[in-house]
Amino acid sequence: AQSVTQPDARVTVSEGASLQLRCKYSYSGTPYLFWYVQYPRQGLQLLLKYYSGDPVVQGVNGFEAEFIKSNSSFHLRKASVHWSDSAVYFCAVRLWGGSNYKLTFGKGTLLTVTP
Amino acid sequence: NAGVIQTPRHKVTGKGQEATLWCEPISGHSAVFWYRQTIVQGLEFLTYFRNQAPIDDSGMPKERFSAQMPNQSHSTLKIQSTQPQDSAVYLCASSLDELGGHEQYFGPGTRLTVL
Repeated sequence: AQSVTQPDARVTVSEGASLQLRCKYSYSGTPYLFWYVQYPRQGLQLLLKYYSGDPVVQGVNGFEAEFIKSNSSFHLRKASVHWSDSAVYFCAVRLWGGSNYKLTFGKGTLLTVTP
Repeated sequence: NAGVIQTPRHKVTGKGQEATLWCEPISGHSAVFWYRQTIVQGLEFLTYFRNQAPIDDSGMPKERFSAQMPNQSHSTLKIQSTQPQDSAVYLCASSLDELGGHEQYFGPGTRLTVL
């Protein structure tokens, strides 16, 4: 069964600093990979996705992620964080091909950006 | 485009009562997904529909939980005889064309509290 691990439950960074949120997946096939963000009392919003091609994908608000197949990782990065980036970030994976399109999520990483 | 609509946003029930949660997917989307979010378990897949037909309900508790999609404009999740452990945020998502790998768009969720 597929699984997603986000090893850092909480990350705190200073405003203006760079950010990396880690994500590793366990899956025997080719995955579709996603990063979602959840602000308080809101649903999930898609930041970026990887389906194929260039392993570095760009998302909204300056976020990017790199798919490293050999490491089964899909880490999220941002060069300079803003206080408004404080939220919970979820990495998710789904089947490529086949007939089941449900998402499997990691436990999430709570990002706190300090002044 | 109003996005995925979920009603009610908050619901409080007494133990043993029934709760019905509603989801209106984005117009034209063919797939509807239900997830449950708790602090302990994180985001868990419950069930999903494609073109109104149930495809996968492997995440649904076998007793008391049921989901329907009577038409393309709404889906319901019903919980009979609610228990305190059912307290969670229930998220609905829709997808334009799952065969093309399109991402899921999430609603704001319904927070269910069982007293």
